Amino acid sequence: AQSVTQPDIHITVSEGASLELRCNYSYGATPYLFWYVQSPGQGLQLLLKYFSGDTLVQGIKGFEAEFKRSQSSFNLRKPSVHWSDAAEYFCAVGGGADGLTFGKGTHLIIQP
Amino acid sequence: GAVVSQHPSWVICKSGTSVKIECRSLDFQATTMFWYRQFPKQSLMLMATSNEGSKATYEQGVEKDKFLINHASLTLSTLTVTSAHPEDSSFYICSARTSGADIQYFGAGTRLSVL
Repeated sequence: AQSVTQPDIHITVSEGASLELRCNYSYGATPYLFWYVQSPGQGLQLLLKYFSGDTLVQGIKGFEAEFKRSQSSFNLRKPSVHWSDAAEYFCAVGGGADGLTFGKGTHLIIQP
Repeated sequence: GAVVSQHPSWVICKSGTSVKIECRSLDFQATTMFWYRQFPKQSLMLMATSNEGSKATYEQGVEKDKFLINHASLTLSTLTVTSAHPEDSSFYICSARTSGADIQYFGAGTRLSVL
């Protein structure tokens, strides 16, 4: 069965500092990987996705993620966070005709 | 493009009543729609997958008689929570994809509170 682990429940970062959110997955085949962001009481917005090809993918809002097959990881990064980046971030695997399997999420707090 | 509208955004109901939640794809044809449930400060759990014109496929542990899903058209799926109880209180989110696409687009979610 597929699974996603986001080991950090909360992360606090100072505004302007760099960010890395960790994601590890377990999947039987080549995974489709996603990062979504959720603001309080809202739905999910797709930040970026990896299907194949270049393992470093660029997304919206200045985010990027790197797929590392050897580590079964798909960590999300941003070089300089803004206060508006405070939200809940979900890593997910799956897609296509199947539903997504989500990690438990990482709550990002931005310090002024 | 690729907008998914979910209605209502918040509903409060009495225990024992039924509640219907609508999920619409506004600018594309959604051959497949998914329903997820999210408990407070928890992740999203897939409840069921529905393909237009077919019966929904439910995940293990999800009661199909309690959570009725209808996907009668390419732009609309509904989730009806029948005989709702307080433990059904949750945030329900739908998503939709079009045929051949690998990306799901999510609605804004519906917060259900059962008193």
